[in-house]
Amino acid sequence: AQTVTQSQPEMSVQEAETVTLSCTYDTSENNYYLFWYKQPPSRQMILVIRQEAYKQQNATENRFSVNFQKAAKSFSLKISDSQLGDTAMYFCATSSGSARQLTFGSGTQLTVLP
Amino acid sequence: EAGVVQSPRYKIIEKKQPVAFWCNPISGHNTLYWYRQNLGQGPELLIRYENEEAVDDSQLPKDRFSAERLKGVDSTLKIQPAELGDSAVYLCASSLDSRLYGYTFGSGTRLTVV
Repeated sequence: AQTVTQSQPEMSVQEAETVTLSCTYDTSENNYYLFWYKQPPSRQMILVIRQEAYKQQNATENRFSVNFQKAAKSFSLKISDSQLGDTAMYFCATSSGSARQLTFGSGTQLTVLP
Repeated sequence: EAGVVQSPRYKIIEKKQPVAFWCNPISGHNTLYWYRQNLGQGPELLIRYENEEAVDDSQLPKDRFSAERLKGVDSTLKIQPAELGDSAVYLCASSLDSRLYGYTFGSGTRLTVV
């Protein structure tokens, strides 16, 4: 079984500043993938960034980057130059390679303040 | 290309009544998922389809929930009879390979049972 823990239920950041969302996970899989999803009030889950566990290089997508620490089973998301549109619920998730499904954390509500 | 389409967007029913949700996945996505998301929590898998076959329904409360995916395309999720605790957002998602690409989610159906 896989578990994903997000220990920050809520966070806020000033517009244009940088914020880091934490995520830890547990899995028995050797080959797995990690994801961050964004869910705005519209409820649409939007893929922000993904990381392949066998790659040591941290994934980056424009203002979004991850700090992947495989030994510590940590997968944090850094948002640079925060924008008002970044306000949303953020979910960390890991794949189950053999079962082809995602296990989600409980989410972090991020509010970007003007 | 249209995304994952779900309907209805909102549904309010009285307890003990039946309710059905519909999902049209992205064309070519053989894998379809139904997730339930309780307020303030991450989504939890109910059932996964590979084409028309339900390959993982271990989390589906089979006494009252049923699902089908005719011809391996559209899917419906039914609850009969609904209980107060079924109030949640029901998300449908589809994928080519969730490990590599994650899921594409629909906007979900918010169910309120009164």
